[in-house]
Amino acid sequence: GESVGLHLPTLSVQEGDNSIINCAYSNSASDYFIWYKQESGKGPQFIIDIRSNMDKRQGQRVTVLLNKTVKHLSLQIAATQPGDSAVYFCAERDRGSTLGRLYFGRGTQLTVWP
Amino acid sequence: NAGVTQTPKFQVLKTGQSMTLQCAQDMNHEYMSWYRQDPGMGLRLIHYSVGAGITDQGEVPNGYNVSRSTTEDFPLRLLSAAPSQTSVYFCASSQSFLNNSPLHFGNGTRLTVT
Repeated sequence: GESVGLHLPTLSVQEGDNSIINCAYSNSASDYFIWYKQESGKGPQFIIDIRSNMDKRQGQRVTVLLNKTVKHLSLQIAATQPGDSAVYFCAERDRGSTLGRLYFGRGTQLTVWP
Repeated sequence: NAGVTQTPKFQVLKTGQSMTLQCAQDMNHEYMSWYRQDPGMGLRLIHYSVGAGITDQGEVPNGYNVSRSTTEDFPLRLLSAAPSQTSVYFCASSQSFLNNSPLHFGNGTRLTVT
């Protein structure tokens, strides 16, 4: 079965608030993690990635945190905007799998209210 | 750069018909892959290629063929369409899957088989 999962399938936040989207994984051999954003009718869009030798990485308005002890990944979005409404996927790569194949979670629907 | 381009955007087929979903990338990426996305299932890998002339099966390859005659193009062929192949199909590419480079996705082909 899938080792990548999500704590919550939906998340609703008010515009301007910070959002936190969580992801749990079970494969301790995973060494690379990616967050994607998918808007309705479009393909997944790369947001940010992190390697297993890091525990935090920041981008523009986004921060990814990796806790390898509890196998947990989170995406923090600062000052959430209506344009952030989308489905967010985490993905992990198993360094032992064939050619570093990615495994995707099912996604969290983020809705931003004005 | 156009990125990853998929055609057509929408397609309706009758059971038993065959067709080819086109995918092209202009980023000189080595790695290309096809996923299908079904409600509640996440993204599942159909076939992938690590370079021109090299293809291999993913987790759900049955009923699909691929070829990689050039670096840029990676068409997906449905040999005899079945209703179970109704899905959204995404093509994705990355520079290399050996050095932690993220996948870049096209905007998908929405296929309905009646």
